[in-house]
Amino acid sequence: NAGVTQTPKFRVLKTGQSMTLLCAQDMNHEYMYWYRQDPGMGLRLIHYSVGEGTTAKGEVPDGYNVSRLKKQNFLLGLESAAPSQTSVYFCASSLQAYEQYFGPGTRLTVT
Amino acid sequence: GQQLNQSPQSMFIQEGEDVSMNCTSSSIFNTWLWYKQDPGEGPVLLIALYKAGELTSNGRLTAQFGITRKDSFLNISASIPSDVGIYFCAGRAGGTSYGKLTFGQGTILTVHP
Repeated sequence: NAGVTQTPKFRVLKTGQSMTLLCAQDMNHEYMYWYRQDPGMGLRLIHYSVGEGTTAKGEVPDGYNVSRLKKQNFLLGLESAAPSQTSVYFCASSLQAYEQYFGPGTRLTVT
Repeated sequence: GQQLNQSPQSMFIQEGEDVSMNCTSSSIFNTWLWYKQDPGEGPVLLIALYKAGELTSNGRLTAQFGITRKDSFLNISASIPSDVGIYFCAGRAGGTSYGKLTFGQGTILTVHP
């Protein structure tokens, strides 16, 4: 099993550009999450999904959108990137509401 | 909202020494998790705790779920260089339908050979 994978690993965007981050898991987990990690801020939840076709807002959802069209995939979109969205983005999944397993992260820089 | 205070923020130790770190909360949690993050990688789950007073080991790591349900502790015995990384605690409160975790700020561990 690959576990949780994320693509791309690195990306540089200019302000105003858009992009989509892809998260995939092969553990048949129902729950999936998107976090951002910033120095001194720990991990903050952006959006989450409790099953295929469902999404909900986390702590810091502004400027992001998500979709969960397939159970194994969870997409995070930035419609108009801003420098404040420079961060490391982590996807995680869990079997119901228990331990979360994280992907390797995507490092995004917005100039 | 819920907050976790994790301490210490950083530790510099010699190889072979034991390490202790802890997390405290102003509110009760039903689950405590401990993760380790290596540079450039995602957090990896080390130990999960589900009952107050529970003591669980994973190799040289031992974690405890505090009796008050507002704290948790992680100990690493006989540290080795590969223990270097950032250790995060995370708590899950009762009544959260989607498994919302609150994370501590992390403890940066440096081990000198």
